Amino acid sequence: DQQVKQNSPSLSVQEGRISILNCDYTNSMFDYFLWYKKYPAEGPTFLISISSIKDKNEDGRFTVFLNKSAKHLSLHIVPSQPGDSAVYFCAASTEGSNYKLTFGKGTLLTVNP
Amino acid sequence: GAGVSQSPSNKVTEKGKDVELRCDPISGHTALYWYRQSLGQGLEFLIYFQGNSAPDKSGLPSDRFSAERTGGSVSTLTIQRTQQEDSAVYLCASSSVSGNTIYFGEGSWLTVV
Repeated sequence: DQQVKQNSPSLSVQEGRISILNCDYTNSMFDYFLWYKKYPAEGPTFLISISSIKDKNEDGRFTVFLNKSAKHLSLHIVPSQPGDSAVYFCAASTEGSNYKLTFGKGTLLTVNP
Repeated sequence: GAGVSQSPSNKVTEKGKDVELRCDPISGHTALYWYRQSLGQGLEFLIYFQGNSAPDKSGLPSDRFSAERTGGSVSTLTIQRTQQEDSAVYLCASSSVSGNTIYFGEGSWLTVV
């Protein structure tokens, strides 16, 4: 049973436009959420996170939004750049087991020049 | 090096053989994690080490899987009597404290034929 779901396996956007990557979760005990980015043949790298006490966290071009009632989070990248092309993983953890991340299957983002 | 180092980067083994995968965490990091990513799947938690505490082995898929961390630094993940379903990328990660930003290595690609 997938507790973290990324329903879009891929997304293609034009350079300069907004990229919106979505993630849904089913476990209401999750209270910390992260986004990781992965280039081919490299390990995932941490991008941005959000605690359940917030509904938005911003870092430069990246903003994560959390809707707890809908059990939904999204990552916005504005403006998108070709170097953002990668697989983006959503991950979640619970207080007390914050070392144990549950990941989605990832969304491949392609930003076209 | 400055990052998490894993070896081998690629391993092809025959079904039924044992394999050992090695992880060298970032110097000074007390927390060490093993994840794996099977084709088309998200990252799956395997095991977590924190200092001298007993490891959390709850993610290991079967008793053919084991891991050690010697001297609080290098870790070895061992898979005995490998099966084809063990084929995956095995990712090691470390962090300075539990729940802090996790840094992943590039992974060990295991193919069981």
